Amino acid sequence: GEDVEQSLFLSVREGDSSVINCTYTDSSSTYLYWYKQEPGAGLQLLTYIFSNMDMKQDQRLTVLLNKKDKHLSLRIADTQTGDSAIYFCAETENRDDKIIFGKGTRLHILP
Amino acid sequence: ETGVTQSPTHLIKTRGQQVTLRCSSQSGHNTVSWYQQALGQGPQFIFQYYREEENGRGNFPPRFSGLQFPNYSSELNVNALELDDSALYLCASSPLKRGTDTQYFGPGTRLTVL
Repeated sequence: GEDVEQSLFLSVREGDSSVINCTYTDSSSTYLYWYKQEPGAGLQLLTYIFSNMDMKQDQRLTVLLNKKDKHLSLRIADTQTGDSAIYFCAETENRDDKIIFGKGTRLHILP
Repeated sequence: ETGVTQSPTHLIKTRGQQVTLRCSSQSGHNTVSWYQQALGQGPQFIFQYYREEENGRGNFPPRFSGLQFPNYSSELNVNALELDDSALYLCASSPLKRGTDTQYFGPGTRLTVL
């Protein structure tokens, strides 16, 4: 069945780059997403990439997709304390279909 | 600020009771999806409504039901509550039927079942 896996924790020093990795199993995935969840808040869609793309950059965020290995990564440049949150990798086969989420990676920023 | 609100913020119920959670979407958002997020887990899709009709359902039993109203509000009803129903319930709305890339989430309702 469909599955999305990601590591549970990541610690990064303020100012460094953070790289959060994700693997998925559904070869029919067409949209892949990164969501951010801060305490007491809902999910915020950070960025998404269509499966025919290799890379997408949006300000400090870079998404890399290796479709052959079913591997997705999110790089946050110049990590700030405000980036401390849980980051969810997610995928969907169709834009009107259910979204399958990973369990989330908690990003901790070290001073 | 996503323009999607949910009520109540927190709720405590006992096993066997029934609960209704509410979501208010932005005007013009015809699609609403509901998700269950257990502690330490990612959200799981419960179901989706488009123009007041169910448009897809996840792997949840029939005691989870929903309604969507013409005024862009919606409800999630859960009957015969079980301890495992304790979770954060999130609604998400979109102006499009095919719109998971334009989906806005509310802050959620934290349900505790004792």
